[in-house]
Amino acid sequence: GDSVTQMEGPVTLSEEAFLTINCTYTATGYPSLFWYVQYPGEGLQLLLKATKADDKGSNKGFEATYRKETTSFHLEKGSVQVSDSAVYFCALSVPGGATNKLIFGTGTLLAVQP
Amino acid sequence: EAQVTQNPRYLITVTGKKLTVTCSQNMNHEYMSWYRQDPGLGLRQIYYSMNVEVTDKGDVPEGYKVSRKEKRNFPLILESPSPNQTSLYFCASSPQGFGEQFFGPGTRLTVL
Repeated sequence: GDSVTQMEGPVTLSEEAFLTINCTYTATGYPSLFWYVQYPGEGLQLLLKATKADDKGSNKGFEATYRKETTSFHLEKGSVQVSDSAVYFCALSVPGGATNKLIFGTGTLLAVQP
Repeated sequence: EAQVTQNPRYLITVTGKKLTVTCSQNMNHEYMSWYRQDPGLGLRQIYYSMNVEVTDKGDVPEGYKVSRKEKRNFPLILESPSPNQTSLYFCASSPQGFGEQFFGPGTRLTVL
């Protein structure tokens, strides 16, 4: 079945460090891919998305490129800030699929230290 | 402001005492869904609804009920809660069944 695998955390970085959170997927059909962010005590917010191969989603300095050949959607940011500390979820959905849902990875906790 | 609201935000209850968590959205979305979030498991879908009076099971529906009598509301009902339903619950809505979903702030439920 469809699934998402993302790197386990926590990821601890110093401010201004480079961030990569790996995400790979398995899906039938042509999924859309998402990164959601969950700040402490809050619900999930969409961070960025990509709907087809080679698309790059970007927002707030974060980027991820939909790589069909490696079935990956890694999240990157060139210089993290303390305010980026949160849990990041990779997710997919398959338009027209048998199930109507987002399929989430297990989440990666990012802690940025000043 | 476009939003999904949930109530209550926090709830501590005892085994077997029926409870309802409300969810409401003001975006006129057709699709609504409930997820539970557990450590190490990510978010798992409990139930979803494609429109008024149309609901279906997600991955972990046991012990839960839902209803969709109005487009904006999608309450989650636990008729006889058990400790294994202690979790963080999120309601979400979307213009369509796939793609971006808008999440509520979450309800942290503890069943003793």
